[in-house]
Order: sequence, then structure tokens, then C-alpha cells
Amino acid sequence: NAGVMQNPRHLVRRRGQEARLRCSPMKGHSHVYWYRQLPEEGLKFMVYLQKENIIDESGMPKERFSAEFPKEGPSILRIQQVVRGDSAAYFCASSARIYYEQYFGPGTRLTVT
Amino acid sequence: AQTVTQSQPEMSVQEAETVTLSCTYDTSESDYYLFWYKQPPSRQMILVIRQEAYKQQNATENRFSVNFQKAAKSFSLKISDSQLGDAAMYFCAYRSASDNDMRFGAGTRLTVKP
Repeated sequence: NAGVMQNPRHLVRRRGQEARLRCSPMKGHSHVYWYRQLPEEGLKFMVYLQKENIIDESGMPKERFSAEFPKEGPSILRIQQVVRGDSAAYFCASSARIYYEQYFGPGTRLTVT
Repeated sequence: AQTVTQSQPEMSVQEAETVTLSCTYDTSESDYYLFWYKQPPSRQMILVIRQEAYKQQNATENRFSVNFQKAAKSFSLKISDSQLGDAAMYFCAYRSASDNDMRFGAGTRLTVKP
């Protein structure tokens, strides 16, 4: 059973460009969570999605950030007009049911130059 | 708001020895879960152990065990017979039974000396 997959593993963007981060949950998991980790810090919750629905986006910045989890395909975290402060590792996690433990992907390291 | 505090930014242990990593949390909830995650240099987040707050018995997974003190809101991780592969960042995390998100501490960097 493959684990949570994230791609790309590393992404470099210039200021003002768009970044798209993909997450494929574990097989059988329909709950996806996105977290951001700044250097030397713990992970911070951003958004929780189920198929086709955003359930909780309380940790998501109000502007430039969006997330989706379509019926088919991976979950996408989209950052428009990236700035240097967006440089971080972005982790996706999935769970089989709400409140079950979350399994993490390897993360995408975003660098904004 | 729930917060998770790891007061030890760095810890060091000799191979084969035992080390304890500290974690405290603040919550007004009575039903919640606590976790320890390991993040090696690969940056993969690996679940080490989990504890349900309603369980009085401390969780154990092979060489890893916790000391869960609910009244004191303390959740320390003990690693016995430390191995070189245990070297990593360790994050303590909290999740309320009624919340979607997990709250993480700032992490403890564990070094294992041969």
C-alpha cells in the first residue's frame, strides 16, 4: 500500500509566479490535510479537505492561497503570486476517517527566489 | 487555544542509552489525542507513537514509550537502547477529538553519539 505521495519534492519559483503542489492520499483515504513548516519550526495546519469539499480552512492565509481535492485526481495546494515568505516545506497528510491518525507525505520544499 | 511546548530544542544521547524528550500542552478539552512524530533528515514525518487521553495506560511501541500525565498536561517520550537511526527532529503533537487540525510543538533535535 503506497503511502502519501507528494510532488514535486522541490519547487523553485520566482517572486510573482504561481506554485502548484500536489498530494495523492493513501489508498482508501478520503481526508486530506495540508500543513506548512517554516525553518526550525513545527508544522502549522492550513486546510482540511474531503473529496470536493473544503471542511476547514482556518489556517490558510486569506489571500493568494487556495486548495482543492477534486473527485478524481490529487489534492492541489495553489499559491498565487508567491513571495519570499512563502518559502517553506509544505506537507500533506491523509486519514481514512475524520479524527483518525494522519499519515504524512514526504513534503514539498518550496523556494521563492 | 491549544498550545504544545517542547522546552528542549536539542538533546543528545549515547548509543544504547535512554533519553527522555519533554512535551507539555495546554487545553481545556477532556477528550484528545497526543502524538510523537519523528522527522529525519529526509524530512519525512513518521508517526512514532500515539496516546488517547481517555486511556490511563501509557502507550508503548517497541523501544519507544510515553509518560502521559493528564493532570499535569505532560506527555514525554522515552527512547530506550538508542540507535544511530533515532537521530532526528522529534515533534510532539496534540489534536482535540472534536478538531480537524493537529497542533505541533517546535521540535527537539536528538543527536545520537556512537
